Amino acid sequence: EDQVTQSPEALRLQEGESSSLNCSYTVSGLRGLFWYRQDPGKGPEFLFTLYSAGEEKEKERLKATLTKKESFLHITAPKPEDSATYLCAVQAGYSSASKIIFGSGTRLSIRP
Amino acid sequence: DTEVTQTPKHLVMGMTNKKSLKCEQHMGHRAMYWYKQKAKKPPELMFVYSYEKLSINESVPSRFSPECPNSSLLNLHLHALQPEDSALYLCASSQREWGSYEQYFGPGTRLTVT
Repeated sequence: EDQVTQSPEALRLQEGESSSLNCSYTVSGLRGLFWYRQDPGKGPEFLFTLYSAGEEKEKERLKATLTKKESFLHITAPKPEDSATYLCAVQAGYSSASKIIFGSGTRLSIRP
Repeated sequence: DTEVTQTPKHLVMGMTNKKSLKCEQHMGHRAMYWYKQKAKKPPELMFVYSYEKLSINESVPSRFSPECPNSSLLNLHLHALQPEDSALYLCASSQREWGSYEQYFGPGTRLTVT
């Protein structure tokens, strides 16, 4: 069964303290892996798409990487405004109606 | 512009009411989605429309009725809802349904059923 698991469930960091969030997946036929940021009560905001192992993408303090089994979202010198829930989602399957499977998210809190 | 708009932002309805949620995008996307999200849970797929035709219905109760009048608009008609249907309802769109296209989400409608 296709599965996406995110860890840790929650992470509290001091401002400037770099860390990584993990998204591990077991799916048949990875089509793409997506990272989203979601603030409370709002819709998810698209961050990155990764398609194949070895790929990396960066945006400001965030860097996403992909291996054959997992993806990492590295956050460098975070600021309080980076506090949010970070969702990983995987699109998998070989049929035309492949669905997106979401992980349960990592709630990130950055203390000033 | 990667904006998906949703109205209303908040909705309170009784169990006997009929109401509708609206979603609009002008990115030329041909796939549109409805999700339901409960607190501290990931979005849960309800429906997928591809080229204005219903492609996926995730066994959603008939009290939720989707409609796609044209390629830019998506509605969700609500009737005889239950209190457990209270949630954040999210609309999303992507270039196509299949392939590896990222989805862009709207801000959501916070629904409370009393």
